[in-house]
Amino acid sequence: EVQLVESGGGLVQPGGSLRLSCAASGFTFDNYWMHWVRQVPGEGLAWVSRINGNGRSTNYADSVKGRFTISRDNAKNTVYLQMNSLRAEDTAVYYCTRDRIVGINDAFDIWGQGTMVTVSS
Amino acid sequence: EIVLTQSPGTLSLSPGERATLSCRASQSVSSSYLAWYQQKPGQAPRLLIYGASSRATGIPDRFSGSASGTDFTLTISRLEPEDFAVYYCQQYYSAPRTFGQGTKVEIK
Repeated sequence: EVQLVESGGGLVQPGGSLRLSCAASGFTFDNYWMHWVRQVPGEGLAWVSRINGNGRSTNYADSVKGRFTISRDNAKNTVYLQMNSLRAEDTAVYYCTRDRIVGINDAFDIWGQGTMVTVSS
Repeated sequence: EIVLTQSPGTLSLSPGERATLSCRASQSVSSSYLAWYQQKPGQAPRLLIYGASSRATGIPDRFSGSASGTDFTLTISRLEPEDFAVYYCQQYYSAPRTFGQGTKVEIK
């Protein structure tokens, strides 16, 4: 079964750090671009970051650039999101997802269940 | 950044009725790069339509998508009880990938 499972969310103070993980199974992980998408409770979806199959190419939303770092460990079939200098507005459910087709921009066909990040003092 | 505007914000319909959801892009989006997702409370989004009109694996044929210029439409031909949810459009034509704000389909 193709699956993504996020972990690492929790409560953190403003200015703090957190690292999210997303464990993949059921597909050839290192072929796929992987993404993080977030959703403020009760609001819409927002793309956060992406990383290519070998980990050498990354992109970020302007709102997180310079504070968040995406990475991957293909030996562990896991993608990470290191979040530093967290702000209240980073409070959201963070989803891990992948492009539907290898090697091209495509829709997100597989999603994890999400992990909640709360930034509050 | 391409802005996607969905309308209406909320659609109140009864089971068995037809639902028509709209998504308008602020600039040109190739039809090959527009998707629709369904999201139910407490769940992750689910891919329904990609390439503006192709159904994802396992999606029933009561869901269909179409495109005309910068206007995209998701149609649910006959609403089933499990179709009441929030629907989002998304473009993956240019970076950053953006989503519409969502249309909630609720039971009338």
